[in-house]
Amino acid sequence: EAQVTQNPRYLITVTGKKLTVTCSQNMNHEYMSWYRQDPGLGLRQIYYSMNVEVTDKGDVPEGYKVSRKEKRNFPLILESPSPNQTSLYFCASQPDSRISGELFFGEGSRLTVL
Amino acid sequence: GQSLEQPSEVTAVEGAIVQINCTYQTSGFYGLSWYQQHDGGAPTFLSYNALDGLEETGRFSSFLSRSDSYGYLLLQELQMKDSASYFCAVRPYSSASKIIFGSGTRLSIRP
Repeated sequence: EAQVTQNPRYLITVTGKKLTVTCSQNMNHEYMSWYRQDPGLGLRQIYYSMNVEVTDKGDVPEGYKVSRKEKRNFPLILESPSPNQTSLYFCASQPDSRISGELFFGEGSRLTVL
Repeated sequence: GQSLEQPSEVTAVEGAIVQINCTYQTSGFYGLSWYQQHDGGAPTFLSYNALDGLEETGRFSSFLSRSDSYGYLLLQELQMKDSASYFCAVRPYSSASKIIFGSGTRLSIRP
């Protein structure tokens, strides 16, 4: 089954404790991206990746890091989480960044930073 | 700047037709997409307009007019399960790897 898988789905952590949210897709998609969703603000792009070893900042990259060492994986790293990073996070992938209109989303990771 | 405007909330009656508008201020983009998101769920793709005009997929249709900087999603024969949030999104020419989403429209269906 074609899918984007995120882990963990739910996490409660404390300020400053490093965490990683994993994202994996099995569709051989080149393009992957991370979004955060907050009430009233819609989906805001954090980072994106055009292909292996190619990543770039989205609109709200502060406090986040990513890596793309393999085509299927695109982890989101919070080196020192803060309460303002409490949010719902979505990973998404797409076959080609320019042509296809369809993004495939993971099920989401709800993060709470105390 | 680049922005997409949507009404925050729309209410409609079961069986009726509803139109969700998306107006944008962005200089050129590849196409307009629509996504549906139920509470607690992930956004799922509904439609994509690469060209001006109407695209129909079952009960859902989407329209784009680049000259009017306007698009809409039309939902017909509304069902209770259509209660969800709907987002429009574009990929601008100026930054093809970024995708800009509207803030979403929450659609509530009344019996």
